[in-house]
This record gives sequence, C-alpha cells and structure tokens, in this order.
Amino acid sequence: GESVGLHLPTLSVQEGDNSIINCAYSNSASDYFIWYKQESGKGPQFIIDIRSNMDKRQGQRVTVLLNKTVKHLSLQIAATQPGDSAVYFCAEKAGGGNKLTFGTGTQLKVEL
Amino acid sequence: GAGVSQSPRYKVAKRGQDVALRCDPISGHVSLFWYQQALGQGPEFLTYFQNEAQLDKSGLPSDRFFAERPEGSVSTLKIQRTQQEDSAVYLCASSLVLAGGREQFFGPGTRLTVL
Repeated sequence: GESVGLHLPTLSVQEGDNSIINCAYSNSASDYFIWYKQESGKGPQFIIDIRSNMDKRQGQRVTVLLNKTVKHLSLQIAATQPGDSAVYFCAEKAGGGNKLTFGTGTQLKVEL
Repeated sequence: GAGVSQSPRYKVAKRGQDVALRCDPISGHVSLFWYQQALGQGPEFLTYFQNEAQLDKSGLPSDRFFAERPEGSVSTLKIQRTQQEDSAVYLCASSLVLAGGREQFFGPGTRLTVL
C-alpha cells in the first residue's frame, strides 16, 4: 500500500545545533508534502510545505528538501531552540484529493 | 484568537454509549476535516466536508461513525455504541479554499476514552 513513514522515532539535539528530520514516502502521485509540528495536548501546526515539482523550499529557520528519486523528504531546523521540542509529522496530499496522509512522527528533544 | 475549537476536550464513555464531538471551524472556512489520532501515531483521515456537503467519508472505520455539518459551519462527529478501539484523539481541521489546500488549521482535539 501507499504510506508515509519516518526513519527515526526520536531525535535529541543540543540547543543551537541544527536538526534534520527525515521522512520516506511511497505515493508518487502526491502533489504536496507538508511538515506539521505537534506539541503535547495540541493539534498539529503547519510549518512548511513543498510542491512536488520543487526540490527545496526555505522558511524562517526551516528548510524542506524533497528528493523524488529516492522518495525522501527532510525538514531542517536551524539553530534549534527549546521551543522546537515537539513531535514532527510529514504529510502528503495526493493530486486532486483533499485528505492528508500523515506519517507516524518523530519526537524532537532539545537539550540545554 | 479565532482558531478551530473543539468540545469537549476530554470525554470518557462506557462501552456501548453514544458520543457526540463538536467542531467549530475558523469563520469562513469552506473545508472541514475530521481525523483520528491514536496514541503515538499520526492523524488518520476520517471524513471531509465542503460547506454542508460531505464529499469524502472513506476514512470512517464503521457505520457506527457519522458526521454532519448541516449549515456549512459547525460540525459534529457522532460515534454510536462506542468500543474500546474507538479510544483516540479526534482532530478537526478547517481550510479556507475549496480544494482543501495543504494548509489545514487544526483544533486541539477531543480525547475520547472508552472504558
């Protein structure tokens, strides 16, 4: 079946370091890939997205990279801060569809 | 702020009881989604509304699950004869554009525990 999954369930980084969260996908028909951040007790919060015809997109302190050859997506967070501690999900939106398909998530822990 | 709100935030039900979960989307948002999130997992799609029309209910796990949005604003997810496997966080999301868009705004969720 088609799925979106993550390589690492937990990632610990030192404050100020850069973080890289990875995601593998299998649905070649997806037209958008999205990263969400979810803090404990809250709903997912949109971070950044990338269209399938792009390979890189930058936001404020975040960069998303898309490698369609190996069906891999990554989220880079620069100068990681304690407030970045959360679970990060990648999600995909298939062309013409409305629903998002989420991966299982990576827990990011920022150590002081 | 005028974000997506959900009520109740927590619900405990005895197995076999019916429950109703409410979602108030962001004012003016056309698209509304329901997701189910099991502990430690990513959200899974349940159903989608465009205004009052339910256009996709492919994710509803059984006929015990029913959703409505009669006036194209507030939505209710109803679960009949709850089972222990229904225990999860139920998330509602809304989006401004007709096609749903990739930027869906999520509410805080309702945590349902079925005993």
